[in-house]
Amino acid sequence: EIVLTQSPDTLSLSPGERATLSCRASQSISSSGLAWYQQRPGQAPRLLMYGTSNRFTGVPDRFSGSGSGTDFTLTISRLEPEDFAVYHCMQGGNSPLYSFGQGTNLEIK
Amino acid sequence: EVQLVESGGGLEKPGGSLRLSCSASGLTLSDAWMTWVRQAPGKGLEWVGRIEKKTDGGTTKYAAPVKGRFTISRDDSRDTVFLQMNSLKTEDTAVYYCGTGSGTITIGHWGQGTPVTVSS
Repeated sequence: EIVLTQSPDTLSLSPGERATLSCRASQSISSSGLAWYQQRPGQAPRLLMYGTSNRFTGVPDRFSGSGSGTDFTLTISRLEPEDFAVYHCMQGGNSPLYSFGQGTNLEIK
Repeated sequence: EVQLVESGGGLEKPGGSLRLSCSASGLTLSDAWMTWVRQAPGKGLEWVGRIEKKTDGGTTKYAAPVKGRFTISRDDSRDTVFLQMNSLKTEDTAVYYCGTGSGTITIGHWGQGTPVTVSS
């Protein structure tokens, strides 16, 4: 089983600042299977990034993803008020078993 | 537009069973791999399992905490996927989501979730 560990657990920033969220895998994974989801309170998750660095339909270009092997990053270049939410990384794709990180809570400072 | 609607959640006692359904529209279900994910109150997302499309073998895979107790099946003629949950435990209490994707996207579309509470 591949364990994903996200850091930090909570990130406190102000609108306009840059956010960098990390997702580390317990073993090397295919970059094609790494995705990021945003979840607002009371809502289902929403896909932001797939295949590590591809933005899903309608996702603003202030969101970007990078990484390979065991270390992956989601960057939000300039935070908008609607970006404050919980972010989850997930490994799937061709992996036999999928898994999620524990989530990073991006909160307003 | 792809829409997924889960149903069948509710309150059940430990040791009991529930069957969740996920009804799909806006896609050809027979072409889709379907995934179940759950979220316990105040916790992160947890992958439950998946079922491949029949032309890929229809194989099911499960996370360790539910393997042997939960079963995913599909009825493509009814555009519906099921999650049969047996021997329920209090730690199975969560909102259960179904999801689907295509190509390299594992889950691009999510349902709204159905809550399951396991309590005596």
